[in-house]
Amino acid sequence: NAGVTQTPKFRVLKTGQSMTLLCAQDMNHEYMYWYRQDPGMGLRLIHYSVGEGTTAKGEVPDGYNVSRLKKQNFLLGLESAAPSQTSVYFCASRGGTDTQYFGPGTRLTVL
Amino acid sequence: DQQVKQNSPSLSVQEGRISILNCDYTNSMFDYFLWYKKYPAEGPTFLISISSIKDKNEDGRFTVFLNKSAKHLSLHIVPSQPGDSAVYFCAASGPPRGSTLGRLYFGRGTQLTVWP
Repeated sequence: NAGVTQTPKFRVLKTGQSMTLLCAQDMNHEYMYWYRQDPGMGLRLIHYSVGEGTTAKGEVPDGYNVSRLKKQNFLLGLESAAPSQTSVYFCASRGGTDTQYFGPGTRLTVL
Repeated sequence: DQQVKQNSPSLSVQEGRISILNCDYTNSMFDYFLWYKKYPAEGPTFLISISSIKDKNEDGRFTVFLNKSAKHLSLHIVPSQPGDSAVYFCAASGPPRGSTLGRLYFGRGTQLTVWP
């Protein structure tokens, strides 16, 4: 039981490039979330999903897209990366309680 | 608008003593509160939670206290150990749930340093 995994762990992009971050969970959780963490800002919600095939915007969705084609996977896409998207990205999932379980994070640098 | 606030960005405590981390919230609809612990280069890990029907929850060295009238909660770590050095995030959730988020609102975190 791996819990929540994220790939890649690190990535460096140039401005304007695109990439996809993958989150996978093996806990059969319905809900999945993408957050970003910036120094002094805590965790801010980007997008979330309440089930397979559904997605919705969080508090900082601009510049990101997501897809949940399979229940266990939640993908976060950056179509045209900007330096302001340099951050650490965390995926989380939850089942029937409010407790969310987090992945190890992806550190993204946009030059 | 920050609905969950951790006003102390850092706390330094000697090993063996008590660590008290504080958290305030503004939304009176919040009814479930959590603390997460985060080490560098790792994801946050769930530590302890409390429902609004309780005013205290204890798990080993960790105790969370909830004061609903003051909209305040605190995490007590007794005794503190060097391995407790990490960033601690307070989080809260409330209705409506169901098809909406059941989202968590996070504070900005408190860096706890426990020195020998």
